[in-house]
Amino acid sequence: DAGVTQSPTHLIKTRGQQVTLRCSPKSGHDTVSWYQQALGQGPQFIFQYYEEEERQRGNFPDRFSGHQFPNYSSELNVNALLLGDSALYLCASSPGWAGAHQETQYFGPGTRLLVL
Amino acid sequence: AQKITQTQPGMFVQEKEAVTLDCTYDTSDPSYGLFWYKQPSSGEMIFLIYQGSYDQQNATEGRYSLNFQKARKSANLVISASQLGDSAMYFCAIGGFQKLVFGTGTRLLVSP
Repeated sequence: DAGVTQSPTHLIKTRGQQVTLRCSPKSGHDTVSWYQQALGQGPQFIFQYYEEEERQRGNFPDRFSGHQFPNYSSELNVNALLLGDSALYLCASSPGWAGAHQETQYFGPGTRLLVL
Repeated sequence: AQKITQTQPGMFVQEKEAVTLDCTYDTSDPSYGLFWYKQPSSGEMIFLIYQGSYDQQNATEGRYSLNFQKARKSANLVISASQLGDSAMYFCAIGGFQKLVFGTGTRLLVSP
């Protein structure tokens, strides 16, 4: 049973560039959430996708956008990169957007983004 | 808004001993979940244990148990019989409608 996968594992970009990160959820999961984890901090919620729509969004600017595909995989896009966007980006999947707190989120290995 | 506070930046424990990692939370939601995750240096967040706000009994998963005190708004993680492989960052999180809010984490170091 494959877990959550993310690609690429590492990425180096320069300020002003755009980046796309990819995530495939755990088998049987249809909800995908994205988190940003800066060095020394806990993960911060970016947004969540279910049925190809953004269902919840955290306190992140519009430079951060996403997409979910019919096969439940997801992309995170960040435009006009800033130095402060350097972080570990984590994708998490869960089995169904039931609005219930008991749906545990399972995380992928993350993508480490460095903006120079 | 939901909030998690982890006041222990670092903890040390000897192998085979038990250790408690502290977590307090704040929420106005009547129904919520509390989660603990382990993050090794590789970066992946590994789910350890879950406690629902209406669960009467404290959750247990192998060597992990969650000491849930609702009146105190605390959800401490207890690791029994620590192993060298337990050395990692540990994050407490609260979830409602699936968004997770994390604390700043506690770094646990297990020594031989």
